[in-house]
Amino acid sequence: KNEVEQSPQNLTAQEGEFITINCSYSVGISALHWLQQHPGGGIVSLFMLSSGKKKHGRLIATINIQEKHSSLHITASHPRDSAVYICAVRGGHNTDKLIFGTGTRLQVFP
Amino acid sequence: DTGVSQDPRHKITKRGQNVTFRCDPISEHNRLYWYRQTLGQGPEFLTYFQNEAQLEKSRLLSDRFSAERPKGSFSTLEIQRTEQGDSAMYLCASSLGLRRDNEQFFGPGTRLTVL
Repeated sequence: KNEVEQSPQNLTAQEGEFITINCSYSVGISALHWLQQHPGGGIVSLFMLSSGKKKHGRLIATINIQEKHSSLHITASHPRDSAVYICAVRGGHNTDKLIFGTGTRLQVFP
Repeated sequence: DTGVSQDPRHKITKRGQNVTFRCDPISEHNRLYWYRQTLGQGPEFLTYFQNEAQLEKSRLLSDRFSAERPKGSFSTLEIQRTEQGDSAMYLCASSLGLRRDNEQFFGPGTRLTVL
């Protein structure tokens, strides 16, 4: 079993729909990241969380440390949101490496 | 451009050849990370540096892989005697190395194809 699991693996939506991507992890963490990767490989950091909730524009990320679970929400989705969304955790306090999920491929159709 | 840069962006090589990739981090960042991403998978950690010191290395980093950051600025990742299984995207990231809120910024990656 992977240390970081994401669901769903693939997601299609119509423009305007509310989208949720889930991430569960099995290790102790010091922070959780949500990343966006477009075709061609470039990775952009969306959020870094250690507790609670963060919002940026139409994106909202939440984390429940006790349940080892995080969600990324996209409100009023748009075709330009089409990308792979990756959850990554920074494990513990003695390491700075990230452990990544396999990603969720999102396609938003007009 | 003040972001993380990687060179080359694409590399095609024949099995058995050596390849070297370069990463230039954001200038004030003292931590530098290498990750590898195969098709359809999330990235996997390879190694990271604090200035010139290599602090952690994955078991994925076999004897054929070596990374350096000699002056604490740019880093190189060398793969000797490449194998087809080395075909992947090699990603570099850098960060300020803060205890908390240590956000990593990623470069565009180097895509390696081993024929």
